[in-house]
Amino acid sequence: DIQMTQSPSSLSASVGDRVTITCRASQGIGNYLAWLQQKPGKAPKSLIYAASSLQSGVPSKFSGSGSGTDFTLTISSLQPEDFATYYCQQYNSYPITFGQGTRLEIK
Amino acid sequence: EVQLVESGGGLAQPGRSLRLSCTASGFIFGDYAMSWVRQAPGKGLEWLGFIRTMANGGTTEYAASVKGTFTISRDDSKSIAYLQMNSLKTEDTAMYYCNRGDGSGLYWGQGTLVTVSS
Repeated sequence: DIQMTQSPSSLSASVGDRVTITCRASQGIGNYLAWLQQKPGKAPKSLIYAASSLQSGVPSKFSGSGSGTDFTLTISSLQPEDFATYYCQQYNSYPITFGQGTRLEIK
Repeated sequence: EVQLVESGGGLAQPGRSLRLSCTASGFIFGDYAMSWVRQAPGKGLEWLGFIRTMANGGTTEYAASVKGTFTISRDDSKSIAYLQMNSLKTEDTAMYYCNRGDGSGLYWGQGTLVTVSS
């Protein structure tokens, strides 16, 4: 199985900050990488697919990059609604696997 | 509007079975694979498996953790995907979500909570 490792596990930031979350795959996955956002008590929401493509309706403040084994999610100009947990997910091969999550908290 | 609504969750005793349903609307159900993902309390997301379209054989893929005890099926005439869970254990306590696609899709249901306890 492909292991996905996110860093950091938690992150404190202020409104207006720009933050970056990294995700590393245990083997190459091409660009078969998605990023999801989850708020407490809510279902996951897909933000990015194919490593860098924004899902419809997702603001351009979210951006993704990378290929192979190393990927990043960058969120610019943080707003209160952006504080949530973020997961990366590889779908290059089954079983689909998720990172452990990065909890983004307000400083 | 695409909607996925899970149902069937609740309290079950260890060793018992439960069947979850994911009722879809707003799209041609038979054209899409359907999957299940769960989240134990306070934990991360765990992919359980998915079922391909009937045009692709309706075959399934499962996570090793549930293979042999959980079964995913579909009824295209009713636009419903099912998750049959047998031999439930306390560690199966989780919120269960369905997803349109193999687990990497855009659309998610709101989840149904399964609690396994004696």
